[in-house]
Amino acid sequence: KAGVTQTPRYLIKTRGQQVTLSCSPISGHRSVSWYQQTPGQGLQFLFEYFSETQRNKGNFPGRFSGRQFSNSRSEMNVSTLELGDSALYLCASSTGQGGETQYFGPGTRLLVL
Amino acid sequence: SQQGEEDPQALSIQEGENATMNCSYKTSINNLQWYRQNSGRGLVHLILIRSNEREKHSGRLRVTLDTSKKSSSLLITASRAADTASYFCATPMMGSQGNLIFGKGTKLSVKP
Repeated sequence: KAGVTQTPRYLIKTRGQQVTLSCSPISGHRSVSWYQQTPGQGLQFLFEYFSETQRNKGNFPGRFSGRQFSNSRSEMNVSTLELGDSALYLCASSTGQGGETQYFGPGTRLLVL
Repeated sequence: SQQGEEDPQALSIQEGENATMNCSYKTSINNLQWYRQNSGRGLVHLILIRSNEREKHSGRLRVTLDTSKKSSSLLITASRAADTASYFCATPMMGSQGNLIFGKGTKLSVKP
């Protein structure tokens, strides 16, 4: 099976802009989780989607949003970018049964100038 | 807030030596997972140990879990330069599906 893919791999934006990141899960996986990784805060959970519904959300401002399509592909959007949004954004897919192994994509490295 | 805290933060060893990393967590868990991350890349799942298991092996990896002490350890035997990476423990947040809580990780450097 193909692994989790994320596009784009690298992105440079300026403050105030918005960005959309994409994630394609492993075939058959219906759950997609998103994480932000920074040197200071480590890996932090953003949100999780299952069958096109957001099931859980982390402690991030409303500028961070996401959605999932019927084929389980997911996108996350960050509006009004701030310098502090510079990070590695990782998505992970799983069957969605809860608490099981997650399979991560290579990440999207976002730099906000 | 982080659930798991790894110790040490950094570890440097020679090829062939064993590497031991520890993880402590705060609340009750169903399972604990270990992941590896090569520099700036995605995480790779290594092993999952359930709360009713005390020890689990996978190749050169050995994981132990002590739920009474809320701690786990990852042992890599006969380390190789290719094991150089950051290692994270993670626990699923109860009642929050798809939410893994990660520690800050141990950065392992294996010198040839």
